[in-house]
Amino acid sequence: AQSVTQPDIHITVSEGASLELRCNYSYGATPYLFWYVQSPGQGLQLLLKYFSGDTLVQGIKGFEAEFKRSQSSFNLRKPSVHWSDAAEYFCAVGAPYNNAGNMLTFGGGTRLMVKP
Amino acid sequence: DAGVIQSPRHEVTEMGQEVTLRCKPISGHDYLFWYRQTMMRGLELLIYFNNNVPIDDSGMPEDRFSAKMPNASFSTLKIQPSEPRDSAVYFCASSLYLPGREAFFGQGTRLTVV
Repeated sequence: AQSVTQPDIHITVSEGASLELRCNYSYGATPYLFWYVQSPGQGLQLLLKYFSGDTLVQGIKGFEAEFKRSQSSFNLRKPSVHWSDAAEYFCAVGAPYNNAGNMLTFGGGTRLMVKP
Repeated sequence: DAGVIQSPRHEVTEMGQEVTLRCKPISGHDYLFWYRQTMMRGLELLIYFNNNVPIDDSGMPEDRFSAKMPNASFSTLKIQPSEPRDSAVYFCASSLYLPGREAFFGQGTRLTVV
């Protein structure tokens, strides 16, 4: 079964600074990879996804993520953070096979705070 | 598309009462998931359905929890009797393809059991 680790529980960055949120996964092959964002009191919104092909994927709100097979990582980046980016971010992994064991598995989340 | 719709958004109930949470998935999506989110345990998958059939309910914490999907456009999660430790945010999500593909989440129901 797959697993996901987000090593940073909280991160604080200044508005306008760059951001990188870390995500490491465990899976025997190339998984499907996702980043979701959850604003306070809201559901999870899909930011971006990786299935195959180009390892650098672009998402909504100016976010991007890079799949690095050698490091089993899928880190989320943004060159310049806005105050509205303050939220909780979840990395998730899914297995590209259609059987009952292949659910989306979520990491524990990273709470991003943005300083003015 | 209106997205996944959950009701109610907030529910406050007394211990021992029955609670029913409702979900309308995105039209055409074959998979429906119920998740629970707490500070202590994060996001947990409780149960999921494929074409209205429960496939995996191993995440349902106790027999007090039950879920149904009588048709493709409606699902319920019921807790009977409710306990204070059931207080959490419950999310419904739906997916068009395999369970390992992206899921689309509702706004959640914040349940408080007093």
